[in-house]
Amino acid sequence: QKEVEQNSGPLSVPEGAIASLNCTYSDRGSQSFFWYRQYSGKSPELIMFIYSNGDKEDGRFTAQLNKASQYVSLLIRDSQPSDSATYLCAVTRIQGAQKLVFGQGTRLTINP
Amino acid sequence: EAGVAQSPRYKIIEKRQSVAFWCNPISGHATLYWYQQILGQGPKLLIQFQNNGVVDDSQLPKDRFSAERLKGVDSTLKIQPAKLEDSAVYLCASSLDRGYGTGELFFGEGSRLTVL
Repeated sequence: QKEVEQNSGPLSVPEGAIASLNCTYSDRGSQSFFWYRQYSGKSPELIMFIYSNGDKEDGRFTAQLNKASQYVSLLIRDSQPSDSATYLCAVTRIQGAQKLVFGQGTRLTINP
Repeated sequence: EAGVAQSPRYKIIEKRQSVAFWCNPISGHATLYWYQQILGQGPKLLIQFQNNGVVDDSQLPKDRFSAERLKGVDSTLKIQPAKLEDSAVYLCASSLDRGYGTGELFFGEGSRLTVL
């Protein structure tokens, strides 16, 4: 079982719609959860982090965390073509040495 | 504020040759990371430094990979001898503290390695 799992996609969403990206993790003791965006040929950049169960909103982005289900998601409202990128879920693993573990990423395409 | 600097951006070598990548983190960032990102996959942590000490190198293939961070600033990642499966982008990142409090790692542009 992978430590952090994401659907690799591609996920295709029409412009203006809501894009929903999902991630599950295996380490029940994980405490911190992050979403990074990576444009093609570029490096990852942090867009959201969440520590507590529930929702966290930042502009058009909402991160959702459910620790009981070991599930974290990212919603992008009013999707724009500029949101087309790969979205990486990352989780702090605490078993052994604490480190940030990335999922394989979901490739998102917003169609005009 | 200058970002994380990496060089070279691109490198093509033949298998069994050696290669070295250099990274200069953001000024004042104590923690430095080297990640390997194979095409279509997420970044995999190779080694993490806190100042000039190693915090985690559990996934570094130590028979061929080595890394150092002298004086707690610049870092070099070396591969010798290279294998075909080492073809990847090598990402250097830094963070102000241990980083996991906010998870905000600042990444460099990456060094793309192709092994023929």
